[in-house]
Amino acid sequence: AQSVTQLDSHVSVSEGTPVLLRCNYSSSYSPSLFWYVQHPNKGLQLLLKYTSAATLVKGINGFEAEFKKSETSFHLTKPSAHMSDAAEYFCVANTGGFKTIFGAGTRLFVKA
Amino acid sequence: SAVISQKPSRDICQRGTSLTIQCQVDSQVTMMFWYRQQPGQSLTLIATANQGSEATYESGFVIDKFPISRPNLTFSTLTVSNMSPEDSSIYLCSAKLAGGRADTQYFGPGTRLTVL
Repeated sequence: AQSVTQLDSHVSVSEGTPVLLRCNYSSSYSPSLFWYVQHPNKGLQLLLKYTSAATLVKGINGFEAEFKKSETSFHLTKPSAHMSDAAEYFCVANTGGFKTIFGAGTRLFVKA
Repeated sequence: SAVISQKPSRDICQRGTSLTIQCQVDSQVTMMFWYRQQPGQSLTLIATANQGSEATYESGFVIDKFPISRPNLTFSTLTVSNMSPEDSSIYLCSAKLAGGRADTQYFGPGTRLTVL
């Protein structure tokens, strides 16, 4: 069965420190992988996507993610957190066809 | 890319009534979807809106409760019928320009529904 697992429901960091949001996927096929961010009372905004090209993907707002096939992971990182990064983050996979699989989400808290 | 707008952005409704949510995309898109996001939860796919034909519903969702229309490539509506407090949720419209697995999925801002 195909699935996306976000390993942390909540992550709390201090402003200026690194961010790591973890995501693992399970799929029989090479997936396309996405990270979306959802700010309070807003829709989902695409941060970045992996589609079988370079395994290190750079996105908007300083975020990047690395696809590791051997670990079936696609963790999201940022070197230095900003207060405006506080939001819900969703790891998403598409393994073929139009069906999209969402992770449960990770809420990022940023402390001043 | 695609920009998606939804109307209304929020509403408070009485039990037993119905609400129709509109979704407009600024590009011709291949696929349109409706999702529900309950408080503090991830997104659950309600249905795929098919142009000119009946929507394809996911398990647990039925046409009588969530009728969907898609008269053209850029517009769709979702109706939440005979509402109960359990229908209180955020409803999101989504679209893909093409049908490939690598294709980005775009989301509207959502409609926040509260049923009293």
